Amino acid sequence: DTVMTQTPLSVSVTPGQPASISCKSSESLLHSDGKTYVYWYVQKGGQPPQLLIYEATKRFSGVPYRFSGSGSGTDFTLQISRVEAEDVGVYYCMHSLPGWTFGQGTKVEIK
Amino acid sequence: QIQLVQSGAEVKKPGASVKVSCKASGYMFTSSGMNWLRQAPGQRFEWMGFISTSDDGRNYAQNFQGRVTMTTDTSSATAYLELRSLRSDDTAVYYCAKEGGSDWGQGTLVTVSA
Repeated sequence: DTVMTQTPLSVSVTPGQPASISCKSSESLLHSDGKTYVYWYVQKGGQPPQLLIYEATKRFSGVPYRFSGSGSGTDFTLQISRVEAEDVGVYYCMHSLPGWTFGQGTKVEIK
Repeated sequence: QIQLVQSGAEVKKPGASVKVSCKASGYMFTSSGMNWLRQAPGQRFEWMGFISTSDDGRNYAQNFQGRVTMTTDTSSATAYLELRSLRSDDTAVYYCAKEGGSDWGQGTLVTVSA
């Protein structure tokens, strides 16, 4: 089974500063259809996860432009260009097909 | 807007079964399948399986084979998850999530305790 490993597990950021979360998979996530089914979510409080990025680089509808996804193959990154107080939460990368496999989560806090 | 509304919290004894519902609205129910996942305290999300809402095709995660059943009722646009032979380590928040991953239910806490 594919293993998704996130780093760091926790990050404290000053508002207005950038943040970056890495997600490495144990095997290439390039699908035979040419797409890469990697997603990024944020989970705030006791809420269900909210989709930020799909297919590794595509911003989901309504997601602020400060969020961006990059990467290919086995290495993926979520970047927040300028962190805001509302960005506090736990961020997860996820791979689908087959099934859904999640990283262990990265807690983002504000300094 | 799309909504997935799950049934309320459950407390079960070891060995019992639980059935969680997920009622969909705001889209054509049969146009997207449904995934079920869970998140135990301090653990990462665990995918349990997928059910097609158009033809009832199912794909269960190996960890749950033989203990889980996913069903749908298209007349009420509701998906169901049944988990049997509950153990204490099944204590978790259970989620339904629409195919594609953009919409999730609010979660259902299932507590397994003697």
